[in-house]
Amino acid sequence: NAGVTQTPKFQVLKTGQSMTLQCAQDMNHEYMSWYRQDPGMGLRLIHYSVGAGITDQGEVPNGYNVSRSTTEDFPLRLLSAAPSQTSVYFCASQPGAYPNNEQFFGPGTRLTVL
Amino acid sequence: GESVGLHLPTLSVQEGDNSIINCAYSNSASDYFIWYKQESGKGPQFIIDIRSNMDKRQGQRVTVLLNKTVKHLSLQIAATQPGDSAVYFCAESRSGGGADGLTFGKGTHLIIQP
Repeated sequence: NAGVTQTPKFQVLKTGQSMTLQCAQDMNHEYMSWYRQDPGMGLRLIHYSVGAGITDQGEVPNGYNVSRSTTEDFPLRLLSAAPSQTSVYFCASQPGAYPNNEQFFGPGTRLTVL
Repeated sequence: GESVGLHLPTLSVQEGDNSIINCAYSNSASDYFIWYKQESGKGPQFIIDIRSNMDKRQGQRVTVLLNKTVKHLSLQIAATQPGDSAVYFCAESRSGGGADGLTFGKGTHLIIQP
C-alpha cells in the first residue's frame, strides 16, 4: 500500500490564483481530513469527510472547498489564493471511529502564495 | 478559550535518559487524547492514544499519563534514542477520535544529545 499520497509536494501561487491540492489513500479508509500547519504551530483542521459524498467544515474552512466523490480521493481547492494561505497542508485518513481511528498522514504540500 | 497546549517548546535530554513531555488541555469535554511525532519535513506519526476513562497506557518505550483532575497529559519516552529527535504534539478530541476534529497543541521539540 502507498498509504496517503499528496501532490504536489511544493507549489508557488500568485495572489488570486486557484489550485487544487490532491490527496489519495489506498487503505479503504472512510474518514479523511485536511489540516494546515503554520510555522511553529500545531495542525488546524480545515475540512473533513466521514465518507464519500459527505464533507463538513473544520476549524479554519474559509477560502477552501472540498469534495469527496470517491472513498480514495479528497481534493482541497483554493478558490482565490491569499498570502495568509501560505502554509504546509497535510491530508490524513483513518479507518473509521474508535477504536479503528488511528490517523495516517500524508507527506504534506508546501504552499507559498506571493 | 478552549485549547490544547504544551508547557515547554524545547526539551533537551541525554541519549539513554528518559524524556517527559507535558501537555495541558482546557476542554473538560475532551474524551480522547493522542500523541504524535513529527520529524522534519514529514507528516505527523501516531505514537499512542488514551481515552478519558483511563489514566495510563503503555506502548513500546512510551507511556501516556492522563490526569483529568488538573487536565494534564504527559508522554514518557524511556531510554531515548537519536531517532526520537522530533517535534511531539498532543491532540484532543471531543468525539472519541472521530474525523470531526483533533485539536493540536503547538508542539515540543525534543532534542537528543549524545
